[in-house]
Order: sequence, then C-alpha cells, then structure tokens
Amino acid sequence: EDQVTQSPEALRLQEGESSSLNCSYTVSGLRGLFWYRQDPGKGPEFLFTLYSAGEEKEKERLKATLTKKESFLHITAPKPEDSATYLCAVQARNNNDMRFGAGTRLTVKP
Amino acid sequence: KAGVTQTPRYLIKTRGQQVTLSCSPISGHRSVSWYQQTPGQGLQFLFEYFSETQRNKGNFPGRFSGRQFSNSRSEMNVSTLELGDSALYLCASSSLGSTDTQYFGPGTRLTVL
Repeated sequence: EDQVTQSPEALRLQEGESSSLNCSYTVSGLRGLFWYRQDPGKGPEFLFTLYSAGEEKEKERLKATLTKKESFLHITAPKPEDSATYLCAVQARNNNDMRFGAGTRLTVKP
Repeated sequence: KAGVTQTPRYLIKTRGQQVTLSCSPISGHRSVSWYQQTPGQGLQFLFEYFSETQRNKGNFPGRFSGRQFSNSRSEMNVSTLELGDSALYLCASSSLGSTDTQYFGPGTRLTVL
C-alpha cells in the first residue's frame, strides 16, 4: 500500500535559521510527488511537483528535492510568513488518487 | 484566472440530516477531486470526477456521493450525517485529470451537532 510519512511533525525555527522537512514515501511506481503549503482554515496551496529522482525545484526561499525514497523541502533563511503546515503527497502510476502525509507544522519566530 | 471556489464556506447540520456541497473548478479544468480533512486522519481522498464520470473513489461509505455537471462544476452529497463527518471538505481541480497538478479551493467547514 502507498504510504507517505512526513517528519518532523512540528518544527520551530528562528527567523533566518535554515532547515529541511522530510517526506518519505513508498509507492508502486511514482507518477509524481507534490508539495503544498496550508495556512489554518484554508485550502492547500500548490508549491512544487517532482517527477523523477534527482529533480530539484526552487521558489523563493524554498527548494524541493527528490530521491527514490524521499523528498526534502529545504527552507533557507525563513521568515515568519513562512509559518504554515507543509504537506507532501504522492501519486502512483497505477491509480489517480493522491496520498497525503500528515504534514509538518512550521513556526518561524521573529 | 479565478481559482477554485467552494460554497458554502461554513455549514452547521445535525445528525441524520443530509448536506450538499458545491465546487466550481478553475476555468478549463475538467477534473474535480474531493477530499476530507480532519485533525486525526489528515487529508483523505473521497472521489474524482472527470468529464461528468466518476473515475476514482476512495475508501468512504456509500453515504458520500458526488456528481459533475457538463460545465465541470461538481457537487458532493453526504446523507445521514454522523458526528464524525465534521471536517473540512476540500475540492481540487486539474486540467488533464488527477495526474496533473491539483489546485485546491478554500474548503467547506462542516460541523455536525
């Protein structure tokens, strides 16, 4: 069965303190791995899609990388507005539904 | 381009009632997927509609149903509501199908008393 595990569950950083979030997955043939950001009471906001091992994508202070077993979301010099829950999801080649991880709740203190 | 819209944003119902939620996808998107989000279970896939046909279904009881109209708008219905149905219901749309990136709406917060 497809599984997605995110760690840590929660992360508190000082403004400017870089760190990484982890998403480990098992899937029978990866079609795509997705990163979303979710603010309280709102729908997830799309960040990145990664399709193959070795792929990297960047957007402002965020950089997502992918290996055959996990993905990392690197946050460089975070700001308080980066505080949110970050969700990882995988989609397998043999079906169309997305399997989400439980998320990492990031808090960035000024 | 307008994003995914969901109505209503908030709903309060009592046990045993039924509820219908609505989702309007991004213009040009033909796929609509529905998810349930709760603190305990996280985001769980309900079903996906593509060109008015249900293409995929998650592991939820038959009380949860949906449909899609010719303009790609979708509705989700939950009958005989239970307390455990209290959740944020999210709709996501994509252009080529759920194999493409999904864009989420703001959700409908359903509270069952």
